[in-house]
Amino acid sequence: SQQGEEDPQALSIQEGENATMNCSYKTSINNLQWYRQNSGRGLVHLILIRSNEREKHSGRLRVTLDTSKKSSSLLITASRAADTASYFCATPPYNQGGKLIFGQGTELSVKP
Amino acid sequence: EAGVAQSPRYKIIEKRQSVAFWCNPISGHATLYWYQQILGQGPKLLIQFQNNGVVDDSQLPKDRFSAERLKGVDSTLKIQPAKLEDSAVYLCASSLETGNTIYFGEGSWLTVV
Repeated sequence: SQQGEEDPQALSIQEGENATMNCSYKTSINNLQWYRQNSGRGLVHLILIRSNEREKHSGRLRVTLDTSKKSSSLLITASRAADTASYFCATPPYNQGGKLIFGQGTELSVKP
Repeated sequence: EAGVAQSPRYKIIEKRQSVAFWCNPISGHATLYWYQQILGQGPKLLIQFQNNGVVDDSQLPKDRFSAERLKGVDSTLKIQPAKLEDSAVYLCASSLETGNTIYFGEGSWLTVV
């Protein structure tokens, strides 16, 4: 079953612009995680936000979490061509052994 | 620190043949996962191990897929016989314990023709 759904499915921006991706999920969670996947590569963990946190920053990344709306957003500021990748949100539902359930992903293209 | 190692990186087989993928998790990581990622989709969990025991294999097609982690370290995922719809990337991942950050390998790309 699919837990997270990202929006938009694809996003194309110019270098230097900000990119915002959204994620909605269905069940209660302990945390929500964002991963990046470059074409042909594995997933790289970007950031984890816990259910009692509302906002978290890591470098050019800003993640927000609204548990009342069951949604999260990932903002990449001052984007670079190297940020071109697919971005996935993933959640470990309560009492399911810590496994992550992934959404379909947002494909981000940053044009130089 | 070495990451999650997987092999082979790429494999092409004919339908009804068998294939095996190997994974070596990050040293000391008790939890190991196998995910299947079909092109254009997010990864889907196939099986989760805690040490050498299975925690969750509810989405593993057990008629053709099998996985083991006999000594609680390395793991193998086998598909026999393969179907066309098994074409996907098979991602191995590990975490220190359940609930910790999960680290992924580069994946094993399978094409079934």
